[in-house]
Amino acid sequence: DVKVTQSSRYLVKRTGEKVFLECVQDMDHENMFWYRQDPGLGLRLIYFSYDVKMKEKGDIPEGYSVSREKKERFSLILESASTNQTSMYLCASSTGALNTEAFFGQGTRLTVV
Amino acid sequence: AQSVTQLDSQVPVFEEAPVELRCNYSSSVSVYLFWYVQYPNQGLQLLLKYLSGSTLVKGINGFEAEFNKSQTSFHLRKPSVHISDTAEYFCAVSDWGGNKLVFGAGTILRVKS
Repeated sequence: DVKVTQSSRYLVKRTGEKVFLECVQDMDHENMFWYRQDPGLGLRLIYFSYDVKMKEKGDIPEGYSVSREKKERFSLILESASTNQTSMYLCASSTGALNTEAFFGQGTRLTVV
Repeated sequence: AQSVTQLDSQVPVFEEAPVELRCNYSSSVSVYLFWYVQYPNQGLQLLLKYLSGSTLVKGINGFEAEFNKSQTSFHLRKPSVHISDTAEYFCAVSDWGGNKLVFGAGTILRVKS
């Protein structure tokens, strides 16, 4: 069965901390994505990657960076967490082929205090 | 860039009644459309997708959607809802050659007994 696994379901971090959100997929997918989900705003794309070591900015990259050293793993990094980064973070993956669906992880609810 | 508008933030409906969740997208030469569902405390899963061909698309759990190119719409319907359909529903359109999804703000479907 297809699986995208996010390392934590819930995280509480302090303002100014460096935060790592990890995502692993077992489907050998080329594309991986990080979205942020906020009520009334839907899902907004932070960063995506279409190959190892490749990354592209999404719609809201400010305050975030990413790392993809291996095909199956895509990390989201908050360099210095702030309270306005309190949100649900969703990781997804898809194949490199056109028009295929994205598979999502369960999400990480991050609270920055 | 593509954009998606979900016209209703919340839709309350009684069990066994029909429901329609509305979605409009910005025009493009070629469009690929998706509906995802998110049950409480879970990630997103694909309900159905339109890539080409028949404009009426059937998905899981008895849902269907109709692609209307002239009205740039992709409304989701179910003839008779169940309590278990209570969830948030997201319409999405592909961008960047079909690999990157742009999401609407979501519609919360509340099914009442």
